[in-house]
Amino acid sequence: KAGVTQTPRYLIKTRGQQVTLSCSPISGHRSVSWYQQTPGQGLQFLFEYFSETQRNKGNFPGRFSGRQFSNSRSEMNVSTLELGDSALYLCASSLEVAGNYEQYFGPGTRLTVT
Amino acid sequence: KQEVTQIPAALSVPEGENLVLNCSFTDSAIYNLQWFRQDPGKGLTSLLLIQSSQREQTSGRLNASLDKSSGRSTLYIAASQPGDSATYLCAVSGNTPLVFGKGTRLSVIA
Repeated sequence: KAGVTQTPRYLIKTRGQQVTLSCSPISGHRSVSWYQQTPGQGLQFLFEYFSETQRNKGNFPGRFSGRQFSNSRSEMNVSTLELGDSALYLCASSLEVAGNYEQYFGPGTRLTVT
Repeated sequence: KQEVTQIPAALSVPEGENLVLNCSFTDSAIYNLQWFRQDPGKGLTSLLLIQSSQREQTSGRLNASLDKSSGRSTLYIAASQPGDSATYLCAVSGNTPLVFGKGTRLSVIA
């Protein structure tokens, strides 16, 4: 069974631009969660989508948004990029609601903002 | 607010040693605890999942225990190998998805 895939794997953007990252969950998984990983803050939860609805949201500004499609694929968008948005963005999928089930992570998208 | 702490932050051991990584969390109302491995610049690989009703899980040379009442978990690695070198992260889930510790960076020296 194919794992979680994320595209693109690497991205370089300029301050002020916007970016869209994509995540395809494991087949049959309905929950997709997004995390940001930085050296200073570690791994922080961004949001979770389940059956096309945002179920949980972390403490991030409104510039960070996401959505989930009917096939469970998810995208996250960051608008008006700042230097501090440079990070590894990880997507995880689980069978059902993320709190109760094991999460499986993708390889991540490395975003560099210059 | 759930907080997860991992001690030590870094560990260097000679090949063949048995070792223990520690994880503590502040809110015992969790659904489960997961241990992950992360290689440099890569995503997370799930190692073990312990449900809140369980006390331990084993997979090969790895054994993880959970004491929910005291807010502690340990990951025991037997007969360490250079290929075990990585960052090990523990994470707990409750009403929100995973809250992570900062990790323990393990180096196993041949």
